[in-house]
Amino acid sequence: SYELTQPPSVSVSPGQTARITCSGDALPKQYAYWYQQKPGQAPVLVIYKDSERPSGIPERFSGSSSGTTVTLTISGVQAEDEADYYCQSADSSGTSYVVFGGGTKLTVL
Amino acid sequence: EVQLVQSGAEVKKPGESLRISCKGSGYSFTSYWISWVRQMPGKGLEWMGRIDPSDSYTNYSPSFQGHVTISADKSISTAYLQWSSLKASDTAMYYCARSAVTTDAFDIWGQGTMVTVSS
Repeated sequence: SYELTQPPSVSVSPGQTARITCSGDALPKQYAYWYQQKPGQAPVLVIYKDSERPSGIPERFSGSSSGTTVTLTISGVQAEDEADYYCQSADSSGTSYVVFGGGTKLTVL
Repeated sequence: EVQLVQSGAEVKKPGESLRISCKGSGYSFTSYWISWVRQMPGKGLEWMGRIDPSDSYTNYSPSFQGHVTISADKSISTAYLQWSSLKASDTAMYYCARSAVTTDAFDIWGQGTMVTVSS
């Protein structure tokens, strides 16, 4: 089955830049999406179609794509950004199955 | 306000059946897919499957095919997730989420329904 691979954890100090990667063989052909999930809350979409930002999401959140890897970048990290982040995409076999990455815990030191 | 409101927490015994719901409001319910996503305690998100409420076409993850049933009643803007025989391993938070036909982005999520299966 198709998998998306994320690092389990990323740590940064406030004001620094956090980069969270997501790797998958189908990413050159399929869009990626990113979600933020804080404890006890439902996920929130923060990036769609690799690099688009929904309304209401701060400009410090950005997304990029290069080959089989997509990256969520949070510039000027704030304490409130501490959360789990999940990438999401689909396989390219024509089945249109949605797949989530395993999630990355962002810790703000 | 666009929202998905899910039914309340459930506590069930192994072998029992269950149906949880997700009601959409503030938008055209038949214009968006509804997906169900499982999150086991302390674990990540798992996509279970989705339904097109306009015609009830469904698409399941291979991991969940045959274990759950997704349905919808467009007349009351509600989607459902049901089990015929619960197992302890079904204990999890279950979220519904909507996505447009042209994108897999889950832009609106329900608040989640906690299902606990214990003898």
